Amino acid sequence: QKEVEQDPGPLSVPEGAIVSLNCTYSNSAFQYFMWYRQYSRKGPELLMYTYSSGNKEDGRFTAQVDKSSKYISLFIRDSQPSDSATYLCAMKAGGSYIPTFGRGTSLIVHP
Amino acid sequence: EPEVTQTPSHQVTQMGQEVILHCVPISNHLYFYWYRQILGQKVEFLVSFYNNEISEKSEIFDDQFSVERPDGSNFTLKIRSTKLEDSAMYFCASTMRETSGGSTDTQYFGPGTRLTVL
Repeated sequence: QKEVEQDPGPLSVPEGAIVSLNCTYSNSAFQYFMWYRQYSRKGPELLMYTYSSGNKEDGRFTAQVDKSSKYISLFIRDSQPSDSATYLCAMKAGGSYIPTFGRGTSLIVHP
Repeated sequence: EPEVTQTPSHQVTQMGQEVILHCVPISNHLYFYWYRQILGQKVEFLVSFYNNEISEKSEIFDDQFSVERPDGSNFTLKIRSTKLEDSAMYFCASTMRETSGGSTDTQYFGPGTRLTVL
């Protein structure tokens, strides 16, 4: 079983839709959970950084972590064409500085 | 806003040749990293570097790879004898890294160098 699983998509939605992106993981030592956005031909850019279980909101973005299910989500409200990118989940164990990445989900928001 | 820069954006080389990929981390950052991303696959950690020495490396980072900080601003990844399977995007990242899990732990990535080995 891979440590971090993420559906590569693509996920295509109309502008204004609520987008749900998800990852599952197998390593119960993971405590820090991140979402990166990667535009074409660019490096990953950190969007959200959460610790342990619960929700974190930042503007149109909400990150959720359910450690009991080993499942994390990123919700994007009122999606815009500029949100079209690949979204990478990443996670780290406590005391580790090196994240383990998912494969990324390609999101397309069409006008 | 400060950013990590990488050159070249695209490097084409013949199998067996040496390549050096260049990175300029954010100026007040202390920890530097190389990652690679093979097309369609996940971002993979290669090596981390602090105080002029390697602090962690993955199984991928074998004797064919080396890193160096030749001066106060540049951070390089050298692949001694490239193989076809080294074709990938290579990302440099940097961080302040004062504490694990803190805001200073955030890694900032460069735009990447696409390496094509023929």
